[in-house]
Amino acid sequence: DTGVSQNPRHKITKRGQNVTFRCDPISEHNRLYWYRQTLGQGPEFLTYFQNEAQLEKSRLLSDRFSAERPKGSFSTLEIQRTEQGDSAMYLCASSRQGADIQYFGAGTRLSVL
Amino acid sequence: AQSVAQPEDQVNVAEGNPLTVKCTYSVSGNPYLFWYVQYPNRGLQFLLKYITGDNLVKGSYGFEAEFNKSQTSFHLKKPSALVSDSALYFCAVRDMTTDSWGKLQFGAGTQVVVTP
Repeated sequence: DTGVSQNPRHKITKRGQNVTFRCDPISEHNRLYWYRQTLGQGPEFLTYFQNEAQLEKSRLLSDRFSAERPKGSFSTLEIQRTEQGDSAMYLCASSRQGADIQYFGAGTRLSVL
Repeated sequence: AQSVAQPEDQVNVAEGNPLTVKCTYSVSGNPYLFWYVQYPNRGLQFLLKYITGDNLVKGSYGFEAEFNKSQTSFHLKKPSALVSDSALYFCAVRDMTTDSWGKLQFGAGTQVVVTP
């Protein structure tokens, strides 16, 4: 059990650029969640996958955001035309179906200049 | 809709003294409640959960929490705090009646500072 892995750990980009983050969940965890955490706030739910199916998306996830989990294993979160308001920590979590505990990765910190 | 409130931005306690971090929640159905801890530059680590049963639940690192249905609270406690307990603590709730997928609603977090 190597834990949830997120890459990169830090990303600095200029406004208007596209960025992509990757999350590798704990193996055999079929549920995968993305959250966003801004300074001084708790994590906010963005989207959820069960296997390869994206089952729920938050209203926080604008059209510039897209997430995929093509083979039900790793997931990617892409932000197009980044804005300064996108600067945040993006957290990924995974769990087994029927289990209650979500295990979190260390996150990807995005800074949009 | 579900929500979580952590009324204290920061809690200061001397090492060896009891530590309490407050959390209240609001859900329309049955709550699952969680506490997570976050150290700088690291992800959230699970501490404990309440699902059903005994209102006092014990978790990792000597932490425990008490579920109080009438007060809709789930306060985190530790009898004797350590300097290493200094971190950011998050309470989270999942509404089991309306949400079968496990989405968590987090509070804003409470910074715990334990002084030697």
